[in-house]
Order: sequence, then structure tokens, then C-alpha cells
Amino acid sequence: GDSVTQMEGPVTLSEEAFLTINCTYTATGYPSLFWYVQYPGEGLQLLLKATKADDKGSNKGFEATYRKETTSFHLEKGSVQVSDSAVYFCALRITGGTSYGKLTFGQGTILTVHP
Amino acid sequence: GAGVSQSPSNKVTEKGKDVELRCDPISGHTALYWYRQRLGQGLEFLIYFQGNSAPDKSGLPSDRFSAERTGESVSTLTIQRTQQEDSAVYLCASSLLIWTADTQYFGPGTRLTVL
Repeated sequence: GDSVTQMEGPVTLSEEAFLTINCTYTATGYPSLFWYVQYPGEGLQLLLKATKADDKGSNKGFEATYRKETTSFHLEKGSVQVSDSAVYFCALRITGGTSYGKLTFGQGTILTVHP
Repeated sequence: GAGVSQSPSNKVTEKGKDVELRCDPISGHTALYWYRQRLGQGLEFLIYFQGNSAPDKSGLPSDRFSAERTGESVSTLTIQRTQQEDSAVYLCASSLLIWTADTQYFGPGTRLTVL
């Protein structure tokens, strides 16, 4: 079945440090890939997405590139801020078949950024 | 409304009781999804609706779980004879369409505690 594996957390960084959160997937079809973020006390929201191989999604200084050859979608940011502290979820969605509606999520990675 | 809303925000119930969780999607969104997030785990897909039809019920954990949707509006998730393992945050999401990589917009969730 389809699955997403995320780097285990928690991840603790100092402000302005470089961030990488690894995400790899297995999929029976051709997925679209997503990163969602959940800030403390808030609902889950889309951070970025990529729908085909070699696409790069970007938002708020975060980037992730859809790598079909390595089945990966790693999240990166060059300089994190305290306000980036949140839980990050990698997810995939198959566009086809009867299950194409659902998102399959990774376990989530807790990021804490200290001043 | 401006976003997906869910009610109640918190529900505490006794084992064996039935509960109903409600989701109001973003106006005009044809697709609606239910997910569950148990403590320390990722999001788990339960069911989705296209209009008021549910093509994929594969994620429902048992026959104690059911869901319905009225037209392209409100959905209710019902859990009968609740068990302690049903304790989780239940998240609802909606999207404009379903057969694209449309963004799923999430509600704040209902935290269910079964004593």
C-alpha cells in the first residue's frame, strides 16, 4: 500500500539554522506530494505541494523538490525562525482509482526553534 | 463561512455511548474528507465524500463508524458504542474538486475522549 516515512523528531534548532526534514514515500500510482504544517493551537494547513517529478514547491522560505528517482520530497529552509516552530507532515495523494481522494500522511516531525 | 468548521471542539464520553461529530465544509466545496489523529501518530484517513456519495469507505476502522453527508454541505461522523481506542482528534477537510491535486483545507478538529 501507499505510505510516507518521515524523519523522526523532535528537531531542535537555533534561529537562522538550516533545516532539513526528510520524507520518502512508496506509492502504487503516480502521487502528488504535499507538506502540511500545524502551528501550536491551530489547524492543519498546506505549506507547499508538487504534482509531478522534478517540480519544486515553495512557500514562506520553505522548499521541497519531487524526486521520483529517490521517491523523496525533503523539506528545506535556509534560515529558520522561532515562528517556524510547529509540527510538519509530509503527505501523498494518488490521482487515480477509487482512493484518489485521500491523503496518506507521515507521522509528523515536531520542530522547535530557539532564539 | 471562511473556513471548515467542526463541532463540538471537545467531546468527553463514556465507553459504550454513541457520539456524533459534525463538519461544515467551505461553501462550494464538492469534496469532504474525514481523518483521525491518535496521540503521537500521523493522520489516518477514514472516508471521503464526492457530493453526498462516499466512493471510498476503506478507512473506517470498524462497523461502529459511519458517516453521511447532506448534498454538498454538512457531514456527520457517528461512532457507536465508543471504545477507549476511539479517543483521538477527528479532522475534517474539504476541497473544491476531487480529481485534481486540489488543496484540502482542514478544520480545527474535534478532540474525542472516551473514558
